[in-house]
Amino acid sequence: GAVVSQHPSWVICKSGTSVKIECRSLDFQATTMFWYRQFPKQSLMLMATSNEGSKATYEQGVEKDKFLINHASLTLSTLTVTSAHPEDSSFYICSATGRTPYEQYFGPGTRLTVT
Amino acid sequence: KQEVTQIPAALSVPEGENLVLNCSFTDSAIYNLQWFRQDPGKGLTSLLLIQSSQREQTSGRLNASLDKSSGRSTLYIAASQPGDSATYLCAVGEAAGNKLTFGGGTRVLVKP
Repeated sequence: GAVVSQHPSWVICKSGTSVKIECRSLDFQATTMFWYRQFPKQSLMLMATSNEGSKATYEQGVEKDKFLINHASLTLSTLTVTSAHPEDSSFYICSATGRTPYEQYFGPGTRLTVT
Repeated sequence: KQEVTQIPAALSVPEGENLVLNCSFTDSAIYNLQWFRQDPGKGLTSLLLIQSSQREQTSGRLNASLDKSSGRSTLYIAASQPGDSATYLCAVGEAAGNKLTFGGGTRVLVKP
């Protein structure tokens, strides 16, 4: 139980285009979802926190107009990287809470490469 | 602002040796602490979760201790195996908002 999926697992896009990443909780309702970014050989950095039906809360230094987060249902959150640039190439990981308080369940990650 | 540090950044041991991974954090007002495993190019696998009121947690060959007052946690892996080779991350959970702050990770290589 407590499975979180992400789609796609990897994506390559051209500079200037937008790409959407989905995060789903498969067997529980996720009251809160988190989006993290991980650069090669670095740790995870929290980008934003989203609660179902409300606007996401972004961490300092994360551009909310560039990284659009939508949490329209209790099982789905999406991250859209708009006008992607090569420096946005990274590993994006989502997590969700809801089954047990304060325990986050992580998705398998999405590798984004911007050419 | 919470800061989490993991030492060493990398560790190489022969098979069978015990592993000791350290994690320190600057703000002791934490809700919990988690240890994760990450294989290259993969997501996170949760290993152990220690609530702030607990001193340790055990699962099989893994044991994690927590000393909140000194801002430290240690992950012990007994009788290491080549399959234990991975990056181990510790993360501190805040009481508010469920936010996790991650350490930089320790890359472990267990040589056969």
